[in-house]
Amino acid sequence: QVQMVQSGAEVKKPGASVKVSCKATGYTLGNYGITWVRQAPGQGLEWMGWISDYDGKTKYPQKFQGRVTVTTDTSTYTAYMEVRSLRSDDTAVYYCARASGPNGNDYWGQGTLVTVSS
Amino acid sequence: SYEVIQPPSVSVFPGQTASITCSGDNLGYKYVCWYQQRPGQSPVLVIYQDTKRPSGIPERFSGSNSGNTATLTISGTQAMDEADYYCQAWDERQEVFGGGTKLTVL
Repeated sequence: QVQMVQSGAEVKKPGASVKVSCKATGYTLGNYGITWVRQAPGQGLEWMGWISDYDGKTKYPQKFQGRVTVTTDTSTYTAYMEVRSLRSDDTAVYYCARASGPNGNDYWGQGTLVTVSS
Repeated sequence: SYEVIQPPSVSVFPGQTASITCSGDNLGYKYVCWYQQRPGQSPVLVIYQDTKRPSGIPERFSGSNSGNTATLTISGTQAMDEADYYCQAWDERQEVFGGGTKLTVL
């Protein structure tokens, strides 16, 4: 069955970077993408970026352009999201999900809590 | 940037129909998905391409999208449907989430 398994919780200081991983199993790469979404405490979902597992093409909302990078390692079926210049308001649970375009984000990881604190 | 707006909360009695709206400029020209999120859990896709249900999602969940408004309808609402619901507008350039609606089953 399809599973998206994320790396564990992180604690970072302001100004640092964090890289979260997401290992995909149970399906063949090449027909989907991986999308990244975050959720601050008590808040809603916020889209952070997307990468095609076919050609590595990426998309980001303007808010995160230049500060967020999503990549994939197709040899290990693992996606990564790096956030640089962390601030306290980046404290959130970060999710990856298999992205099927208009068919939605149909399988989600368990979430990775990133805490930014001095 | 594009925005979609949801009501913060909706209440419904068990067995009644709950309707959650999602509004955006010409939203009917975009695809809309809906996600259910229970406390402490990851989101679950309940509607995609405006009206379609993934396998395993009960038939009481349905969706529509026309003009500037998409609607998630839950018929015969059950206590287990109490959760936060998020709409997501999708086009080739971006994904945009609504702010979420807390559904309370009274």
